[in-house]
Amino acid sequence: EADIYQTPRYLVIGTGKKITLECSQTMGHDKMYWYQQDPGMELHLIHYSYGVNSTEKGDLSSESTVSRIRTEHFPLTLESARPSHTSQYLCASSASPGPPAGANVLTFGAGSRLTVL
Amino acid sequence: GDSVTQMEGPVTLSEEAFLTINCTYTATGYPSLFWYVQYPGEGLQLLLKATKADDKGSNKGFEATYRKETTSFHLEKGSVQVSDSAVYFCALETSYDKVIFGPGTSLSVIP
Repeated sequence: EADIYQTPRYLVIGTGKKITLECSQTMGHDKMYWYQQDPGMELHLIHYSYGVNSTEKGDLSSESTVSRIRTEHFPLTLESARPSHTSQYLCASSASPGPPAGANVLTFGAGSRLTVL
Repeated sequence: GDSVTQMEGPVTLSEEAFLTINCTYTATGYPSLFWYVQYPGEGLQLLLKATKADDKGSNKGFEATYRKETTSFHLEKGSVQVSDSAVYFCALETSYDKVIFGPGTSLSVIP
């Protein structure tokens, strides 16, 4: 049973369209992440959030934007989609590990596969 | 900056063969280390983890030991099964709570 939900699972869209990929989690996790997974399987962090009203850019530059208005919701938006945005987008969340120092274990959604024609 | 390197795939093994997937990392401090697995058509899930030097993570017959002296976290399994066919990702947690992943190693196990 998934505790983190991504919609849509698959999306085919034309160039120039605005799209929003939804990500919601029911675990009360404070941290949330977006990764882009290229066809070669490699995952690149593109955005992350430590909590409400906190967003940071990841290691891979992305034209997408994110928002975190509610703890459970972390949508990703592309204002004008291009073929170079074709990829799989994975959302993840984690709770802050308590003392003693624990590990930041991510729970992943099933992914949103975006194709831009 | 922090990074993870793992062996190139794809890896093809016969059932009951021994598996090793090498992983080395570069990081400041003492990061937590992970192996995640992605089965065909499914999302990533945690396979095992280790939070400090000499810790051994284990799950489903897989093991990995956190070796700080060699900055490694190699994944091993004594006898693989067809159901282990998947993509395996080594990962580390940076000092800023980000988790970065290696490039992934695809494993195919044939009967």
